[in-house]
Amino acid sequence: GIQVEQSPPDLILQEGANSTLRCNFSDSVNNLQWFHQNPWGQLINLFYIPSGTKQNGRLSATTVATERYSLLYISSSQTTDSGVYFCAYPKDMRFGAGTRLTVKP
Amino acid sequence: DAGVTQSPTHLIKTRGQQVTLRCSPKSGHDTVSWYQQALGQGPQFIFQYYEEEERQRGNFPDRFSGHQFPNYSSELNVNALLLGDSALYLCASSVTGGELFFGEGSRLTVL
Repeated sequence: GIQVEQSPPDLILQEGANSTLRCNFSDSVNNLQWFHQNPWGQLINLFYIPSGTKQNGRLSATTVATERYSLLYISSSQTTDSGVYFCAYPKDMRFGAGTRLTVKP
Repeated sequence: DAGVTQSPTHLIKTRGQQVTLRCSPKSGHDTVSWYQQALGQGPQFIFQYYEEEERQRGNFPDRFSGHQFPNYSSELNVNALLLGDSALYLCASSVTGGELFFGEGSRLTVL
């Protein structure tokens, strides 16, 4: 099955800063999801993005399936953005290990 | 429209016991997948059910079993609990091959 690698594993930002999280796949993918896990453990859907770019407020995501990666952009970060971000390949049921984001006030 | 619901939210068991976790999928979804998430790790795929049959299975022992009912709801059963089974168990529903939607999870502690 496809391997999913996320980077960086940890990221610390000051409030207001921008960040880019990366997800690499070992093979080309035809669907991909980004999640934010809240402090209570629930996985919140951010993007379902097989290819191209999508935006939702301060967040946007870009997937380049042929080059086997996806990027999650967070602009003007807020303390409420803190938590763990996961990318996943639903078809293979594979998740990355996550990026733990800490936004400091 | 109710999302994915899981029960119970928390439970405590002792080693050797058995546990059953339940999941009701989002309306219109026919596929249910179960994941185990240990502290500090990403979710690990246990198995997936579609049309009341196990369609895919991850690298978990036979102590982990499941069932899907005609109304698409699902159960995860774990027998002979080990301390290492302590984790957050997540249920996701989808239409086949589509976007996953997760419930709030069931947090299992094995003493």
